[in-house]
Amino acid sequence: NAGVMQNPRHLVRRRGQEARLRCSPMKGHSHVYWYRQLPEEGLKFMVYLQKENIIDESGMPKERFSAEFPKEGPSILRIQQVVRGDSAAYFCASSPSGPSTEAFFGQGTRLTVV
Amino acid sequence: AQRVTQPEKLLSVFKGAPVELKCNYSYSGSPELFWYVQYSRQRLQLLLRHISRESIKGFTADLNKGETSFHLKKPFAQEEDSAMYYCALATGGSNYKLTFGKGTLLTVNP
Repeated sequence: NAGVMQNPRHLVRRRGQEARLRCSPMKGHSHVYWYRQLPEEGLKFMVYLQKENIIDESGMPKERFSAEFPKEGPSILRIQQVVRGDSAAYFCASSPSGPSTEAFFGQGTRLTVV
Repeated sequence: AQRVTQPEKLLSVFKGAPVELKCNYSYSGSPELFWYVQYSRQRLQLLLRHISRESIKGFTADLNKGETSFHLKKPFAQEEDSAMYYCALATGGSNYKLTFGKGTLLTVNP
């Protein structure tokens, strides 16, 4: 089991472009969590998804950010019209059967907005 | 709003010495606290959680609600303990709505 895979590892976008971050959970895991680490800050929860459902998006910025976890394929965190303040490391974690089970983290995607 | 404070960015000890990594939190609800560790070139992984009251790799942590602290301790540090340590607070009755501290880099010298 290769673990949680995130790609790309590094992403550079110009202001106003779209950023798409992908997360493939561990095999057999159907619960995905996204976290953001702003510069000089700790990670913070953004969104919790199950296959085809958003369970909790209370940590997501109200605008420009969206997330999905389709029936097939990876989970996608999408940031539209990126701004410099979106520059951060974005981490994904997955768990096999809900939040009561341990979540395993990916290596993160570092987004730089220029 | 919830907050996790790890006052030391860097901590350096010698092998065999005791180590304590400090963590303080701010949260109006009932807290659930965790310690995560990230070894060099590896992924973030769960070390221990306060509800388990267990010892992992010789590390323990006690939740002190009076002092709002959850310090991580080990009586005899080993070189392989060198890593980045993050304290995390779960809110809203979940254990996924995590807020992490900024982390402490522990270096254990031979």
